[in-house]
Amino acid sequence: TAGITQAPTSQILAAGRSMTLRCTQDMRHNAMYWYRQDLGLGLRLIHYSNTAGTTGKGEVPDGYSVSRANTDDFPLTLASAVPSQTSVYFCASSDTGEHTEAFFGQGTRLTVV
Amino acid sequence: GQNIDQPTEMTATEGAIVQINCTYQTSGFNGLFWYQQHAGEAPTFLSYNVLDGLEEKGRFSSFLSRSKGYSYLLLKELQMKDSASYLCAVRDSNYQLIWGAGTKLIIKP
Repeated sequence: TAGITQAPTSQILAAGRSMTLRCTQDMRHNAMYWYRQDLGLGLRLIHYSNTAGTTGKGEVPDGYSVSRANTDDFPLTLASAVPSQTSVYFCASSDTGEHTEAFFGQGTRLTVV
Repeated sequence: GQNIDQPTEMTATEGAIVQINCTYQTSGFNGLFWYQQHAGEAPTFLSYNVLDGLEEKGRFSSFLSRSKGYSYLLLKELQMKDSASYLCAVRDSNYQLIWGAGTKLIIKP
């Protein structure tokens, strides 16, 4: 079982360009999340989706957009990248319920120059 | 605001025991999670506490006191492969995970 897969693994992006980070899971989890992880800071939630067709804003949503057309896919789009969006991005998924841990993709290391 | 506090870094010796503390102030509480993250890798689930007390899982144990807003992760018989960051996360009243910045654990032979 693949679990949760992100692409690309890493990317260097020119400021002002757009980019979509891909995330796919095969666990049929209802909930999916996008986090960014920066040195010295905890994982910060960008956007989330509790079920296909719905999305919500997290702690740091500005400059990012998401869609959830089906259960498996949850792409994250940067419309016009800025250097402050340089970070490691993690996609995660979880089942809904009390004791449900999140499973993470391997991460995308994005550098905006 | 919501806040999770953990020490930034800890050092321990191979074969020893180490306790990593986590204190939290969140809007509601629906469980506390501990994750392990090796450098350059994704976080992986270690433990979950929702009731007060100790949960033991092999060499790892996690404790929770909801009245004190406090948890710890106890690692016994430390191995070199335990060198990693340990992340504490609390699920709040909206069922969103609030994450601490992580504790980098360095194991010395």
